[in-house]
Amino acid sequence: DGGITQSPKYLFRKEGQNVTLSCEQNLNHDAMYWYRQDPGQGLRLIYYSQIVNDFQKGDIAEGYSVSREKKESFPLTVTSAQKNPTAFYLCASSTGTGTYEQYFGPGTRLTVT
Amino acid sequence: AQTVTQSQPEMSVQEAETVTLSCTYDTSENNYYLFWYKQPPSRQMILVIRQEAYKQQNATENRFSVNFQKAAKSFSLKISDSQLGDTAMYFCAFMGGKLIFGQGTELSVKP
Repeated sequence: DGGITQSPKYLFRKEGQNVTLSCEQNLNHDAMYWYRQDPGQGLRLIYYSQIVNDFQKGDIAEGYSVSREKKESFPLTVTSAQKNPTAFYLCASSTGTGTYEQYFGPGTRLTVT
Repeated sequence: AQTVTQSQPEMSVQEAETVTLSCTYDTSENNYYLFWYKQPPSRQMILVIRQEAYKQQNATENRFSVNFQKAAKSFSLKISDSQLGDTAMYFCAFMGGKLIFGQGTELSVKP
């Protein structure tokens, strides 16, 4: 089955620790994205990547970092510099950027205490 | 900057009835796409319907249809014959380069 996987579904960390969220896709999509969702709000773009070894900041990139070493994988690291890291994180992919529709993974709920 | 506004935080509808969710957006672009996504309690984002701005004909997908008014920058979603499984958050989204989401409308379908 083709799709996007995110693991784990729930993640707990202590304040001050970096944590990496996994995102893998087998759709052969070039573009991948990370979004953050807070309660009662829509999704906000953190980072996106149009091609391997290239990525751009989204609207709320501060405190986050990414890498795109493989087409299939786009991990997101939430660093200790992110002031409010507790949120629901969604990964998405699309054939390309621009007007191509995006397909989403199941998400990871990160709780930092 | 593009913005997307959903003015109805919550709505409810009786099973088998019809409901319309509102969405307005602001852009200076002429070519773009609009989407409605559904997020059920599982929190998986599911694409419901898409509309290309250059098409005058409103998109339909089974029980889901849109009313796209380009001049008014309005993009409402109509759900006909509502089912219990339609209970979810619905997000309107604008794509003109990157995907911009509205705040969402929480829809409850009551038996």
